[in-house]
Amino acid sequence: AQTIHQWPVAEIKAVGSPLSLGCTIKGKSSPNLYWYWQATGGTLQQLFYSITVGQVESVVQLNLSASRPKDDQFILSTEKLLLSHSGFYLCAWSRDWAYAEQFFGPGTRLTVL
Amino acid sequence: GEKVEQHESTLSVREGDSAVINCTYTDTASSYFPWYKQEAGKSLHFVIDIRSNVDRKQSQRLIVLLDKKAKRFSLHITATQPEDSAIYFCASNVGDNSKLIWGLGTSLVVNP
Repeated sequence: AQTIHQWPVAEIKAVGSPLSLGCTIKGKSSPNLYWYWQATGGTLQQLFYSITVGQVESVVQLNLSASRPKDDQFILSTEKLLLSHSGFYLCAWSRDWAYAEQFFGPGTRLTVL
Repeated sequence: GEKVEQHESTLSVREGDSAVINCTYTDTASSYFPWYKQEAGKSLHFVIDIRSNVDRKQSQRLIVLLDKKAKRFSLHITATQPEDSAIYFCASNVGDNSKLIWGLGTSLVVNP
């Protein structure tokens, strides 16, 4: 069975500080990987997706970057946090074919003060 | 840019009644329309989807209808139960099939 793990569970960070969020998928080789941001109140925005190691496509610019250093790992980061980065960050994976169901991780709640 | 609009931000029904959530999309090339559910404080999980080669799909109490001419799709939950209470998101693919555009979510409350 496949499992998806996100870390940390929650973070409280200062404006201007760096951030690194991680996501690991076990039990599935070569998954498609996705990062989402959910604002307080529910709006869901797809940020990045990756179909293979080392390749990441940006969907929307929010002063964030993503990397896929290993087949089962997806990292979201920024060097300087903004207040607007607060929210719920979700990682998801899907099988490597078109129109595949996405499986979401438990999420990381980020508060920027 | 392309959009998906979810028409009901909140919906309240009585247990046992049906609930209908409507979405419209703008990209005529969209061909994949999934629905996801998010319970309070939790992550999202897949509910049902429909592809543009059909106009109706059913999975137990869930029915999805697709009207390509009107660029509209809807989720019907029949015989609602309190555990159906959640936020429901619709989405559609845009261009590259790895990109989804999402609606703003509908908060469904099923009252016992």
